[in-house]
Amino acid sequence: DSGVTQTPKHLITATGQRVTLRCSPRSGDLSVYWYQQSLDQGLQFLIQYYNGEERAKGNILERFSAQQFPDLHSELNLSSLELGDSALYFCASSAQGAGGINTEAFFGQGTRLTVV
Amino acid sequence: AQKITQTQPGMFVQEKEAVTLDCTYDTSDPSYGLFWYKQPSSGEMIFLIYQGSYDQQNATEGRYSLNFQKARKSANLVISASQLGDSAMYFCAMREGSGTYKYIFGTGTRLKVLA
Repeated sequence: DSGVTQTPKHLITATGQRVTLRCSPRSGDLSVYWYQQSLDQGLQFLIQYYNGEERAKGNILERFSAQQFPDLHSELNLSSLELGDSALYFCASSAQGAGGINTEAFFGQGTRLTVV
Repeated sequence: AQKITQTQPGMFVQEKEAVTLDCTYDTSDPSYGLFWYKQPSSGEMIFLIYQGSYDQQNATEGRYSLNFQKARKSANLVISASQLGDSAMYFCAMREGSGTYKYIFGTGTRLKVLA
């Protein structure tokens, strides 16, 4: 158990709909990262938050948005869903700071989103 | 910009043999960390091993070792005595020591261990 909790584990929804994926990081971790993994693909970095503030943006579509709340949990909102948005969405958390490069990212189990 | 390259989409290895999974990286930051993760068919991401840019010795964790060649910017994963349970996707990742500290992943190598 990595200590990172993602809900729900599976989600099936129709095109055009909006969904929210939730992530609770490991206790004490201030950084949260979201990744998208399409079928048999690598992990595409979407967005990173640190202690409630956006730190870095990757290949995140305008239809997607995220936030990190004061209790450090994070939500990824996906709207106007398309078939191509079907993927495994991972949340990860880690320690942060200049001394933090040696800390691995701890991943949740992922949310498998299927858009039909 | 930082980049991770894994050139082997798929690999086969015989059970009990050793296998090397390639990873090259590109960064202008002198301080960075390199990581390997395993993703079995069940989907979870499992951390395997870490190497820091200033580490003098290659990292080892049980049957996993990291062949770190800084000048060539390579960080290959070596799995010794392969087991059937090693069949999985393997991802190389990098975290820079400045800026955002985000983790960037390669495209992965699918390893199949043959009995």
